[in-house]
Amino acid sequence: NAGVTQTPKFQVLKTGQSMTLQCAQDMNHNSMYWYRQDPGMGLRLIYYSASEGTTDKGEVPNGYNVSRLNKREFSLRLESAAPSQTSVYFCASSENGGAGNTIYFGEGSWLTVV
Amino acid sequence: EDQVTQSPEALRLQEGESSSLNCSYTVSGLRGLFWYRQDPGKGPEFLFTLYSAGEEKEKERLKATLTKKESFLHITAPKPEDSATYLCAVLMDSSYKLIFGSGTRLLVRP
Repeated sequence: NAGVTQTPKFQVLKTGQSMTLQCAQDMNHNSMYWYRQDPGMGLRLIYYSASEGTTDKGEVPNGYNVSRLNKREFSLRLESAAPSQTSVYFCASSENGGAGNTIYFGEGSWLTVV
Repeated sequence: EDQVTQSPEALRLQEGESSSLNCSYTVSGLRGLFWYRQDPGKGPEFLFTLYSAGEEKEKERLKATLTKKESFLHITAPKPEDSATYLCAVLMDSSYKLIFGSGTRLLVRP
């Protein structure tokens, strides 16, 4: 069962470099999300996409861009990486955005910016 | 300010020693409260959703309950494989955004 698949699993970047985190889900879900997880701060929403063709800012969008490429794929781009973006990034999806829809998470991408 | 607070931050139990984890929330208009389990190096794994005060759900040794201000995750006779971080999250009215607590790290010793 693939579910939500993220790549890469680990990445080290130099300050100022750019990169894209890829995410794909095979559950035919409409809604997709990007979260970051930092020690002591819990998971925080960066961007979400309620449905194909739409994206909206979450709690901490600065320094990131997203693309909902199609229903399956939702990518997160760091245009100019900063040490403050060192974190674990999780992609997630749900059938829709309502309370009755469980959000399923990927395995995470560990990003270090030096 | 909308907030979710989990306590304790860490909990050590002996195998078979039952206990409870707490999740208190201050949000305007709760649509749902979620419990997740997270193992080291993995993504959160869904456990339960609770929608209204008084609701209870069970899964194996875990039981989640909900009041108007907090939720408890009761662990009965835990085993070492229950060791993980347990995350609580709430979904507010008119929002797609889950607000997460910072989690409780549970260690169950044999």
